[in-house]
Amino acid sequence: QLQLQESGPGLVKPSETLSLTCTVSGGSISSSSYYWGWIRQPPGKGLEWIGSIYYSGSTYYNPSLKSRVTISVDTSKNQFSLKLSSVTAADTAVYYCARLRDMTTGDYWGQGTLVTVSS
Amino acid sequence: QSALTQPRSVSGSPGQSVTISCTGTSSDVGGYNYVSWYQQHPGKAPKLMIYDVSKRPSGVPDRFSGSKSGNTASLTISGLQAEDEADYYCCSYAGSYTPVVFGGGTKLTVL
Repeated sequence: QLQLQESGPGLVKPSETLSLTCTVSGGSISSSSYYWGWIRQPPGKGLEWIGSIYYSGSTYYNPSLKSRVTISVDTSKNQFSLKLSSVTAADTAVYYCARLRDMTTGDYWGQGTLVTVSS
Repeated sequence: QSALTQPRSVSGSPGQSVTISCTGTSSDVGGYNYVSWYQQHPGKAPKLMIYDVSKRPSGVPDRFSGSKSGNTASLTISGLQAEDEADYYCCSYAGSYTPVVFGGGTKLTVL
């Protein structure tokens, strides 16, 4: 059974960079034809797609966040990561990682991790 | 404001059927057969209920069905059960510039 687990700081200061890692167990992140994505949810609000990375390394980002987002994969550790720079309070959210059969079909999700942006 | 429009809330009694709509444009819902639906209980991660407009993942009850007409996708839940009370989100592919868009979510209340 595939499992995903997010990890990283729960508190980030404004203007700094938010960094999260998603560790995949029970399967290889190098498996062909899957995307690996990040989705966030501000408290009490809806889901927002941040971006995805294809198993080949191609990346796709939400245009509204593109200038601040980097998603990368470390196949040796079976992990993929999110970096979001110049954060503000508006970036406070639960951040989820997910495996995606295609760009919209997230069949396995992590439990989510709350990241608060505050000084 | 979300790219896809969903009703804020819907409700139904146990055993009844409810339909949640998801309205987009010809650039997203209407242009591709890549619409997914997610169920989210409070404090939990989203769960995939429907993908590719009308396909059900293994383990999802056949009470859940999806369809699409023009720029509007729909999720229908028949034989409502108490455990169906949750938030539901639609998601669509929207092309190479903005590949993924979500709806604002619909709160389903089972009366």
